[in-house]
Amino acid sequence: NAGVTQTPKFRVLKTGQSMTLLCAQDMNHEYMYWYRQDPGMGLRLIHYSVGEGTTAKGEVPDGYNVSRLKKQNFLLGLESAAPSQTSVYFCASSPRQGALNVLTFGAGSRLTVL
Amino acid sequence: SQQGEEDPQALSIQEGENATMNCSYKTSINNLQWYRQNSGRGLVHLILIRSNEREKHSGRLRVTLDTSKKSSSLLITASRAADTASYFCATDGNQGGKLIFGQGTELSVKP
Repeated sequence: NAGVTQTPKFRVLKTGQSMTLLCAQDMNHEYMYWYRQDPGMGLRLIHYSVGEGTTAKGEVPDGYNVSRLKKQNFLLGLESAAPSQTSVYFCASSPRQGALNVLTFGAGSRLTVL
Repeated sequence: SQQGEEDPQALSIQEGENATMNCSYKTSINNLQWYRQNSGRGLVHLILIRSNEREKHSGRLRVTLDTSKKSSSLLITASRAADTASYFCATDGNQGGKLIFGQGTELSVKP
């Protein structure tokens, strides 16, 4: 069982470039999330999805877009990267069984914007 | 703003000692969870406590929840060097399924 897989694991971008981070889960989970983690800031929720075809904003959505065209995939896009988006990005999913919203995380994607 | 706040931000203890981390939150919750993160890795779920529970155990972990004070604590007994990691609390309240994390406590257990 792969669980939650994130690609790529590392990426370096120049300011203004665009890119997409891919998250794939094989657990048939309904909910998927994108977080960013910065030193001293913990994890902050960027966007999330409660099901195929639906997305919603989290705490820090500006500068990011997401899509959930297939239940198993959740894409995070940066249209015009900025140095402030240098971070480690984590994808997570959960089955959403009532209130037992336990997350399974991917290994992270480290993004550097120069 | 983040829902959970952990205290202390960093904790250093000797192997065999107990480690206690605290989490405070702001709004009503359905449940509170604790996660662990080893350096450079993703987070791993440790334990979940529901809002109608006061205490829960899992191996060497003990979690307490005081909804009147909007706080929780995670106790790791007889710590080991392998427990060295960051620990995060997360809450799932009236937020439409979102799980909001605190800033974490960095635990260092010295052999």
